[in-house]
Amino acid sequence: KAGVTQTPRYLIKTRGQQVTLSCSPISGHRSVSWYQQTPGQGLQFLFEYFSETQRNKGNFPGRFSGRQFSNSRSEMNVSTLELGDSALYLCASSLAGHDTEAFFGQGTRLTVV
Amino acid sequence: AQSVTQLDSQVPVFEEAPVELRCNYSSSVSVYLFWYVQYPNQGLQLLLKYLSGSTLVESINGFEAEFNKSQTSFHLRKPSVHISDTAEYFCAVSYAGGTSYGKLTFGQGTILTVHP
Repeated sequence: KAGVTQTPRYLIKTRGQQVTLSCSPISGHRSVSWYQQTPGQGLQFLFEYFSETQRNKGNFPGRFSGRQFSNSRSEMNVSTLELGDSALYLCASSLAGHDTEAFFGQGTRLTVV
Repeated sequence: AQSVTQLDSQVPVFEEAPVELRCNYSSSVSVYLFWYVQYPNQGLQLLLKYLSGSTLVESINGFEAEFNKSQTSFHLRKPSVHISDTAEYFCAVSYAGGTSYGKLTFGQGTILTVHP
């Protein structure tokens, strides 16, 4: 079956703009988590959604938001982009959450100029 | 705070040599443990996992890891590495219960470079 699909793969935005990233989980998976990966901070958890509800959130400013649709697809939005938001954004899906293995997409590489 | 420490940021080895990538975690609750591998410009691929049961877990490509609760460690080993094992490896922990839904806490990663 198809894996986790993230679109777009690459994105270049200007400081101050906003951006929306998309994630389609593996069929049947209801949990979607988002991570930010940077060389300096490594992999950091952004938030997790399950059945359209945010169940968990990391320590990121309110400019970072997300949502999940009834088909489990998820989007994350970053408003008022800063240079420091340049990163690889990874989405992971799992059946139910922390006690089941997570499958990652290939990520969206966001560059803010 | 709960954390994961990968003790080596870079590990160079020669082909066919054994390798161990070290991972320690801090936790006062039950954990689930994972090793992921990341190739350049790719996402993370699950290498192996410990959820419960036998403390020694194996992957299909020759890696193994042992969960040691007393030492809070989950070191990754391979008896003989190949050039194709060159990649970055991440140890990750999921903490049982409460508000830990869907959250993996990652170590900083270990870059394994296999030389011919």
